[in-house]
Amino acid sequence: EAEVAQSPRYKITEKSQAVAFWCDPISGHATLYWYRQILGQGPELLVQFQDESVVDDSQLPKDRFSAERLKGVDSTLKIQPAELGDSAMYLCASSFLPAAAPDTQYFGPGTRLTVL
Amino acid sequence: AQSVTQLDSHVSVSEGTPVLLRCNYSSSYSPSLFWYVQHPNKGLQLLLKYTSAATLVKGINGFEAEFKKSETSFHLTKPSAHMSDAAEYFCVVSGRGFKTIFGAGTRLFVKA
Repeated sequence: EAEVAQSPRYKITEKSQAVAFWCDPISGHATLYWYRQILGQGPELLVQFQDESVVDDSQLPKDRFSAERLKGVDSTLKIQPAELGDSAMYLCASSFLPAAAPDTQYFGPGTRLTVL
Repeated sequence: AQSVTQLDSHVSVSEGTPVLLRCNYSSSYSPSLFWYVQHPNKGLQLLLKYTSAATLVKGINGFEAEFKKSETSFHLTKPSAHMSDAAEYFCVVSGRGFKTIFGAGTRLFVKA
């Protein structure tokens, strides 16, 4: 069964450093999501792509976070500089239908970020 | 505006007894509603979804949920809990033209 791949699984960094996370969605899925999940809370949507276009990035802290999906396939989420409050699980998900149609999301295993 | 509220942060049941996890939503439009489960050290997995078809939705592992528009609720139930059901459960609201919103989650404990 096809899965969403994410790397790295764990990342430890010092504050003010740059970090990057990678996501490879299920082949053929048009929509890709990045979420941040703080321990004990539900995932919060950071950015949503349809193909290579950003559909929603209203909750993305744009002063330090950036995301891209250049060829409409895999995606990278970057934080620069990292802050202590960025420590969280970063989840990637994909869905088959276009962004306007609510659809089942398939989640990757996540990247656990610890900022020291 | 859209929002979702999970009414219990923790629920504890005995194995073999019914499970009820409560979820209320707010939406200006006809929503799509989902329940996802997150086991420790595992990814989020879809349990079931409502997308304006039948109001009683059956999912995997014996779970089901009923969409009640008059009560703006989408509670998750299971007749008989199993030890393997112990996990975090998330109620999710989405829809055409607005983003996905997760509830805060309900941790389900199952006692032997």
